Amino acid sequence: QSVLTQPPSVSGAPGQRVTISCTGSSSNIGADYDVHWYQQLPGTAPKLLIYANINRPSGVPDRFSGSKSGTSASLAITGLQAEDEADYYCQSYDSSLSGSVFGTGTKVTVL
Amino acid sequence: EVQLVESGGGLVQSGGSLRLSCAASGFTFSTYWMNWVRQAPGKGLEWVANIKHDGSEKYYVDSVKGRFTISRDNAKKSVSLQMNSLRVEDTAVYYCARGAGGVVPRYNWFDPWGQGTLVTVSS
Repeated sequence: QSVLTQPPSVSGAPGQRVTISCTGSSSNIGADYDVHWYQQLPGTAPKLLIYANINRPSGVPDRFSGSKSGTSASLAITGLQAEDEADYYCQSYDSSLSGSVFGTGTKVTVL
Repeated sequence: EVQLVESGGGLVQSGGSLRLSCAASGFTFSTYWMNWVRQAPGKGLEWVANIKHDGSEKYYVDSVKGRFTISRDNAKKSVSLQMNSLRVEDTAVYYCARGAGGVVPRYNWFDPWGQGTLVTVSS
């Protein structure tokens, strides 16, 4: 099972702001390992959305932003759009497991 | 264009073997860690294994240790995953992903990803 916990689902109306939390522990996020975020549209491979906590790859809209504090991280989507309906995963490294770990995943629904 | 293309998936009986391959193009393959990540039907992502750019270091998730072997051929720009003693719980889409962010894998993120190849293990 995943060591990073995310809410199973979040929803919002078009134009609203939603946030997705990613809660870890002292062996991963709390050990100062970076958090990265991925978007997985239905039926497709995951795509990098945020890397090293706060950075957006070129081509990712600035509506997406990341933050990290203590043993948790968050992804915020402002100005929610229909095309943002997808599954979102956080990822970090866990020193106890000696490998990368993913969050449980969050389904974003645009009402 | 940076691209990863997986192949080799299919249907196999429990206890059987399968070898997945991932062909890379559009970047200097020999300078990157490479990873395999899987996703069981309707489930989340799980990192499976990674391999250093020169093949000298390899790491695995506990559930596949001793059964799966990751390897690479820098001349052919490819990475493989040999899967033995397959179990029903290994059924998943397997993605190949480049490790980005430097030579220390614990700081890596995955970008890009291939389209995935489906492995189905029947009982």
